[in-house]
Amino acid sequence: DAKTTQPNSMESNEEEPVHLPCNHSTISGTDYIHWYRQLPSQGPEYVIHGLTSNVNNRMASLAIAEDRKSSTLILHRATLRDAAVYYCIRGRGGGSNYKLTFGKGTLLTVNP
Amino acid sequence: DAGVIQSPRHEVTEMGQEVTLRCKPISGHNSLFWYRQTMMRGLELLIYFNNNVPIDDSGMPEDRFSAKMPNASFSTLKIQPSEPRDSAVYFCASSSQWGATYEQYFGPGTRLTVT
Repeated sequence: DAKTTQPNSMESNEEEPVHLPCNHSTISGTDYIHWYRQLPSQGPEYVIHGLTSNVNNRMASLAIAEDRKSSTLILHRATLRDAAVYYCIRGRGGGSNYKLTFGKGTLLTVNP
Repeated sequence: DAGVIQSPRHEVTEMGQEVTLRCKPISGHNSLFWYRQTMMRGLELLIYFNNNVPIDDSGMPEDRFSAKMPNASFSTLKIQPSEPRDSAVYFCASSSQWGATYEQYFGPGTRLTVT
């Protein structure tokens, strides 16, 4: 089972950094870590993914622990538009690498 | 790019009726996914197509559900007959495989209500 563990909810203030944690202690060597988010009444949106090294893109940064058992999604300056459910997904390697198993995610609230 | 297009955005139907949901993936993408989202079960993968061929339909709930992809720019998900428990938001997503990962682009969803 490609299970990850995330807090049910987190709160942040606008223009402050946000660190969203994720545990994936049973991750295997070929599994990627994906982050998607879902804004209210919209479809999920890709945020970032990584395998071993830390990753940055225009939306966020992904910090992956050296043992790969956990990772942190970093939003450098939260805006009201970042209020969403954030999903951390362990992407299976090999022939099932298309499969994203969404959990309950973390509901991020951003206060003005 | 217009993104993934789904129609209709909302559908209300009576139990026993046939329902057809439509999806136009992003041009050039060779993978297409149908998902269902409910409060109880969250977001579930129903079926995955690659190059118009169904690869994994293990998530399709039962024989009442069927999906087709007649060409690279169109897919349908059909429920016949529909039941109240099919009420959910159905998302279509498309992807162009990049290396070992699939960055999936989701459509806005179709909210289905079966009364």
